[in-house]
Amino acid sequence: GAGVSQSPSNKVTEKGKDVELRCDPISGHTALYWYRQSLGQGLEFLIYFQGNSAPDKSGLPSDRFSAERTGGSVSTLTIQRTQQEDSAVYLCASRLIAGVSDTQYFGPGTRLTVL
Amino acid sequence: KQEVTQIPAALSVPEGENLVLNCSFTDSAIYNLQWFRQDPGKGLTSLLLIQSSQREQTSGRLNASLDKSSGRSTLYIAASQPGDSATYLCAADGSSNTGKLIFGQGTTLQVKP
Repeated sequence: GAGVSQSPSNKVTEKGKDVELRCDPISGHTALYWYRQSLGQGLEFLIYFQGNSAPDKSGLPSDRFSAERTGGSVSTLTIQRTQQEDSAVYLCASRLIAGVSDTQYFGPGTRLTVL
Repeated sequence: KQEVTQIPAALSVPEGENLVLNCSFTDSAIYNLQWFRQDPGKGLTSLLLIQSSQREQTSGRLNASLDKSSGRSTLYIAASQPGDSATYLCAADGSSNTGKLIFGQGTTLQVKP
């Protein structure tokens, strides 16, 4: 596709359930990022992938959060035992390379609601 | 730790006005500073990227400046239009150059016809 896509666009789950969020980056983009946007917290970095490895996962808020990337393309963010404070919009972005002049292209996000 | 602040949080102007959005950052060791636009329920759209060696970038009616020494960036919008109504976010790409962006809280702009 022409842009970054994310699925699902909306996810409602019950507290304690596991959820998986998917990101399809722009073809050929080697860098991939996950961010979280919640009321009162703004937009926060979660994790960065270069290829299939994650050299920076410093933004993951707890060990309930994990992410993987396969084939240097699709990435999945998994949240185990969801809590109400996990409710937010999860945004994915991709970048051609991590160079100083390269911008990030964002997907439309997945809105997660934990009841 | 890099912190990014945007002032004002919200702004309402009549159509046709020129306006300035402000962004400040605490750590001057940045690779670039980016401005994004976010429409309700949508992702972010990149507007301008200023590399650390640059002072400003222009695109159409938009002009962004960067002053690393003072830790400030401004986004100037000329002749505002109702279609400019959105939330504007600035983000600093820190010294690790991983592309990890630290965002401000945003300025929500409303341009009234």
